[in-house]
Amino acid sequence: LAKTTQPISMDSYEGQEVNITCSHNNIATNDYITWYQQFPSQGPRFIIQGYKTKVTNEVASLFIPADRKSSTLSLPRVSLSDTAVYYCLVGVSFGNEKLTFGTGTRLTIIP
Amino acid sequence: GAVVSQHPSRVICKSGTSVKIECRSLDFQATTMFWYRQFPKKSLMLMATSNEGSKATYEQGVEKDKFLINHASLTLSTLTVTSAHPEDSSFYICSASAPPSYNEQFFGPGTRLTVL
Repeated sequence: LAKTTQPISMDSYEGQEVNITCSHNNIATNDYITWYQQFPSQGPRFIIQGYKTKVTNEVASLFIPADRKSSTLSLPRVSLSDTAVYYCLVGVSFGNEKLTFGTGTRLTIIP
Repeated sequence: GAVVSQHPSRVICKSGTSVKIECRSLDFQATTMFWYRQFPKKSLMLMATSNEGSKATYEQGVEKDKFLINHASLTLSTLTVTSAHPEDSSFYICSASAPPSYNEQFFGPGTRLTVL
């Protein structure tokens, strides 16, 4: 899996839009980008996955520029319950392959 | 769908005892399950890959005789921490390979192990 780099931590106020950027300079042609969310004392939870351009679901949006060397997870109008650690992973297959988690970004939402 | 459970959710044991943690895929069959360990404020570290019906593959630095993994069926994998010591206290998380239509793994809720 390609190495990823994310900010260690971020703070934001409730109601704001939060953008977390992940760098993956060595991404391969067949690699996908997946983001997981982990609340304290819980297992990670899949948020969103994409290959290029923009992907949106009911929880977040994922923006991927043309060179795919980075990606940005966008959380609209965050609430206190969005306080969690967010992990960016890059790879071909996320189902049967072992995953390498980086440091993740610890997002703290301030009331 | 695609729910993974772990049991127990938390366990406290005395040093020197063994503890078994179960990981179950509730509504799907998982040919592969993974075991991770996570220390406070740290990221998940893969311990081993468990394939149904075969021996687990351990990551470098993980003692296979201390962390026994059994994947006897397509819905159950167990991790036994043998002769547990305080330094084994951690959050243990399993994940299961998803059905073919999903390109993701499904994670269990984790087990908090505290060794006194």
